[in-house]
Amino acid sequence: NAGVMQNPRHLVRRRGQEARLRCSPMKGHSHVYWYRQLPEEGLKFMVYLQKENIIDESGMPKERFSAEFPKEGPSILRIQQVVRGDSAAYFCASSAAPTGAPQHFGDGTRLSIL
Amino acid sequence: KQEVTQIPAALSVPEGENLVLNCSFTDSAIYNLQWFRQDPGKGLTSLLLIQSSQREQTSGRLNASLDKSSGRSTLYIAASQPGDSATYLCAVKEETSGSRLTFGEGTQLTVNP
Repeated sequence: NAGVMQNPRHLVRRRGQEARLRCSPMKGHSHVYWYRQLPEEGLKFMVYLQKENIIDESGMPKERFSAEFPKEGPSILRIQQVVRGDSAAYFCASSAAPTGAPQHFGDGTRLSIL
Repeated sequence: KQEVTQIPAALSVPEGENLVLNCSFTDSAIYNLQWFRQDPGKGLTSLLLIQSSQREQTSGRLNASLDKSSGRSTLYIAASQPGDSATYLCAVKEETSGSRLTFGEGTQLTVNP
């Protein structure tokens, strides 16, 4: 499968725990984007990364959220000390270029906070 | 701040009908506009990408048009089928905000057999 791969598909955490979401972009894509879809809301941009660099994090909450895209391995979205309001579907997308090229999405990680 | 609106929010049609989904955006300074479909519990499937210099794109039974100056796009689906039932999302990539997409809230389409 050459598509964007996200894991896990479903993640359950208790309040205060950490959540780590992984995303492997399509082969040949070096641009990764994270979006969040809260219940009954549209998708909202969180962060845009290239290999080893955060390019735009204007959509990231100021606290508890971080993202990385290391030289080797998948991109990681990390949420520390999760709260009920973090329950959402988190989608990763990748593209071959920052502008002009389509973004291709993974199937998402559904995060549930108990 | 860019805002993307999709009308209608929901649409139910009998199989075989041709239909039009609408998308409008407030800031016309865009690189491109992308239409997606989202099935329940799934990710987004890219349907069509229209660059700002283009007027329309076609793929099979789908045709998307773009009127950048008026801030509008339409997705035309010909001869609808039950398998077309999904939520359709449009998203714009702005010239001034880097590479992120700004999404509408979608149109939920149901095609009845």
